[in-house]
Amino acid sequence: NAGVTQTPKFQVLKTGQSMTLQCAQDMNHNSMYWYRQDPGMGLRLIYYSASEGTTDKGEVPNGYNVSRSTTEDFPLRLLSAAPSQTSVYFCASSRDQGGYTFGSGTRLTVV
Amino acid sequence: GNSVTQMEGPVTLSEEAFLTINCTYTATGYPSLFWYVQYPGEGLQLLLKATKADDKGSNKGFEATYRKETTSFHLEKGSVQVSDSAVYFCALLGTGGFKTIFGAGTRLFVKA
Repeated sequence: NAGVTQTPKFQVLKTGQSMTLQCAQDMNHNSMYWYRQDPGMGLRLIYYSASEGTTDKGEVPNGYNVSRSTTEDFPLRLLSAAPSQTSVYFCASSRDQGGYTFGSGTRLTVV
Repeated sequence: GNSVTQMEGPVTLSEEAFLTINCTYTATGYPSLFWYVQYPGEGLQLLLKATKADDKGSNKGFEATYRKETTSFHLEKGSVQVSDSAVYFCALLGTGGFKTIFGAGTRLFVKA
C-alpha cells in the first residue's frame, strides 16, 4: 500500500534553476492536487487535475507547471526557482467526492 | 464563495482532558466536511468525514457532527493523549466540486 509517493523529500535549489517534483499514486484515483504549505498561510492550491489529460490552475499557479499524461503521475515543474518558492509541497489524490490521500511532502529551499 | 473558519491555536491541554476544536463553514448546497490531522514532519491524514446533515464522523476516539442549522463541524475527543499533539485542519468540499477548501489549522499541544 504505497498510497501517494513524493520524491524527493528534501531539495535545495539555486535561484533560477528548474526542477520537477514527482508525485505518483497507486489507488487509481481520478483527481490529483498540488499544494504548498507556508507558515501562517495554511495550504494553498497550486494546480489540480480532475482526470487524466486535464489540468487546472489553483490559487497560486505562477512559476509552476504541471501535466497529467497518466492516471498515476502528476509532476510539478518549477520553471525558474525563486526564494519565494521556498516551501513544503504536498501532493494529494482523491476519488470523486472522497477525502484526500496526501503524500509525505517535499521540503524545498531556494537560495 | 465557500469558506471554512476554525479556532485559532495553539490549544494546550493536559492528558485526559476534553478537546473541542471549533469549525464553522459557509457554503451553498450540501458540502462534504472533513477533519485532517498533520503530525510533525508528515503530510495531512484524513481523520474523519461527514457527507450530509446530522451525520457523525468518528475515528480514533475523535468525533464531529455535521450541523447544517449552525453550519458547524466541531471536532471533539473525550480524553486526549500526548500522541494527539498535532495540527488539525477542518475542510470542505462543495457539491459536485473537486477542490477542497482547508481551514488555517489549529495546533494542539497535549502535556503529560
